[in-house]
Amino acid sequence: EAQVTQNPRYLITVTGKKLTVTCSQNMNHEYMSWYRQDPGLGLRQIYYSMNVEVTDKGDVPEGYKVSRKEKRNFPLILESPSPNQTSLYFCASSSSPRGGDGYTFGSGTRLTVV
Amino acid sequence: EDQVTQSPEALRLQEGESSSLNCSYTVSGLRGLFWYRQDPGKGPEFLFTLYSAGEEKEKERLKATLTKKESFLHITAPKPEDSATYLCAVHLASNYQLIWGAGTKLIIKP
Repeated sequence: EAQVTQNPRYLITVTGKKLTVTCSQNMNHEYMSWYRQDPGLGLRQIYYSMNVEVTDKGDVPEGYKVSRKEKRNFPLILESPSPNQTSLYFCASSSSPRGGDGYTFGSGTRLTVV
Repeated sequence: EDQVTQSPEALRLQEGESSSLNCSYTVSGLRGLFWYRQDPGKGPEFLFTLYSAGEEKEKERLKATLTKKESFLHITAPKPEDSATYLCAVHLASNYQLIWGAGTKLIIKP
């Protein structure tokens, strides 16, 4: 089954404790992206990647890091999480950055930073 | 500033009662407009892509239309399983970013 897999689904952590949210896709997609979703604000892009070793900032990159060492994986790293990073996070992939055939989203990671 | 606005925020309909959701946009250049459906606790699911004014796409009870300033998602004779949040996004011509609306929560009562 074609899918984007995120882990973990739920995560509660403390301020300052480094964490990584993993994202993996099995569709050989070149384009991958991370979003956060907050009530009333819609989806906001954090980082995106056009291909292996090619990443760029989205609208809200502060406090986040990403890497793309393999085509299928695109982990999101929070080096020193803060409470304002409490949010619902989605990873998405597409065969092209234009997303004409749509982006495939993961099921989400709900992060709480206390 | 590039902006996408969806209305209404929430819409309650009786089963079989047709209606429309609106997505208005103010952007410097449109490459494409997307509609997605999002169920609680899940990621958005792709519905349609529209590229130019006058274009229409249909899928079951849903039809999406596009003008130069807005898009409509028409729902004909909806069923309870159509209940979800519907998201609109605009792909800017200048880069590869999507600007998302906040969504319309649709509730269909049996």
